[in-house]
Amino acid sequence: GQQVMQIPQYQHVQEGEDFTTYCNSSTTLSNIQWYKQRPGGHPVFLIQLVKSGEVKKQKRLTFQFGEAKKNSSLHITATQTTDVGTYFCAGRGGNKLVFGAGTILRVKS
Amino acid sequence: DAGVTQSPTHLIKTRGQQVTLRCSPKSGHDTVSWYQQALGQGPQFIFQYYEEEERQRGNFPDRFSGHQFPNYSSELNVNALLLGDSALYLCASSLGSLSSGANVLTFGAGSRLTVL
Repeated sequence: GQQVMQIPQYQHVQEGEDFTTYCNSSTTLSNIQWYKQRPGGHPVFLIQLVKSGEVKKQKRLTFQFGEAKKNSSLHITATQTTDVGTYFCAGRGGNKLVFGAGTILRVKS
Repeated sequence: DAGVTQSPTHLIKTRGQQVTLRCSPKSGHDTVSWYQQALGQGPQFIFQYYEEEERQRGNFPDRFSGHQFPNYSSELNVNALLLGDSALYLCASSLGSLSSGANVLTFGAGSRLTVL
C-alpha cells in the first residue's frame, strides 16, 4: 500500500537557524498537505500543494512539491521558538490520505 | 464558529472492555474521519463516514466500528480493548468525502485512551 516517509525524525536547532523536513511517497500523489502539531496539541492544517513543481510560501515557511509528485519539503527560515512542534506531511493517492510519521522540531533560544 | 469537539478528553479502560468516543464536526462540515495516533507516530487512518455510511477504512480490525448521525456527528467504538489500543484518537472533519478531491481536515483535540 501507499507509504509516506519523512526525514529527519527529529531536529534540534538554534533559534535563527533554518530547518527543512522532507517527505517521500512510494506512489505518485494527487496532492500533499502539511500539518503542524504543537506539543500536547492536535494537527493543524498548514497548506496544500497540488501541482507538479509547485512552491508556496507562508511568511518564513516555504513548501515545495516535487516534479514527479512523489516528494515534498517544508523549509523554515530563521526558526523561532514558536515553530516548535511536529510537522506532518499527508499525501493523497487515490482516495487515501496517508500521514508521514512526522518531524519533531525543537528550537533552542 | 465551533471547531471539532471530541469527548471524552481522557479515559482509562482495562483490557477486554469496550469504549465509545464521540465527535462533533466543525460547523458546515459533513464528513468525519477517525485517526489513531500512537505516541511519537503520525495519525493512522481508521475510517471515514460520509452521508451516515462508512466510505473508507484503513487497516484496523473489526473491533473498531463507528457511526455517523444525521447531524453529522460521529462515534468511534472499540471492542475487546487491547493494551496496544492505548493512543490518542483524533477526529477530523471536512467538507465532502475523501474521494471528492482536495479536501482539508480540521482536527479535534483528541481523546486520550489508556488501556491497562
